[in-house]
Amino acid sequence: QKEVEQNSGPLSVPEGAIASLNCTYSDRGSQSFFWYRQYSGKSPELIMSIYSNGDKEDGRFTAQLNKASQYVSLLIRDSQPSDSATYLCAVPYNTDKLIFGTGTRLQVFP
Amino acid sequence: NAGVMQNPRHLVRRRGQEARLRCSPMKGHSHVYWYRQLPEEGLKFMVYLQKENIIDESGMPKERFSAEFPKEGPSILRIQQVVRGDSAAYFCASSLTGSAPGGYTFGSGTRLTVV
Repeated sequence: QKEVEQNSGPLSVPEGAIASLNCTYSDRGSQSFFWYRQYSGKSPELIMSIYSNGDKEDGRFTAQLNKASQYVSLLIRDSQPSDSATYLCAVPYNTDKLIFGTGTRLQVFP
Repeated sequence: NAGVMQNPRHLVRRRGQEARLRCSPMKGHSHVYWYRQLPEEGLKFMVYLQKENIIDESGMPKERFSAEFPKEGPSILRIQQVVRGDSAAYFCASSLTGSAPGGYTFGSGTRLTVV
């Protein structure tokens, strides 16, 4: 079974700081990577996807991918209390399903 | 532009009863995935279906659980003789191409509580 691992947290950061969320995966052949955000009691929402080594920026979010190290991260700049949620890393397996990490709970305090 | 529709949003069943969860994919999507999320845990893949076909059911428990996606109508996840350990949030997702690398969109989920 392919694995996706994340620290469960909680990760606590002050408002305005950079939050850094990390994810490692076991399948060297993986070609695409996704970050989902899940608020308590809600469904996961896709916020970032990345396919190539390097950085991909979208607003306050930056995804970073290092395939050699099998590592993908999500940076949230200028963190806001509304960013407080669980962030799930997901990697396709056999191209027919996404395997999710257990998620990292982020808390942004004023 | 309705998204993935799941119903009911909340379902309470007594131990031993049957639970039926329904999922209507986004318009034009013919690939459906079911995931289960136990309290304080991550999303676990259960089953991947296309119209009238089960493509991958490697995440389905061997007993009591079944899924279908008929030619007409929503996909159904059926849990027979529910037990307390079945209490969880069940999410459905759909995709256009059937290729997970494209990512997919989740419905709002069904929260099943077994009492």
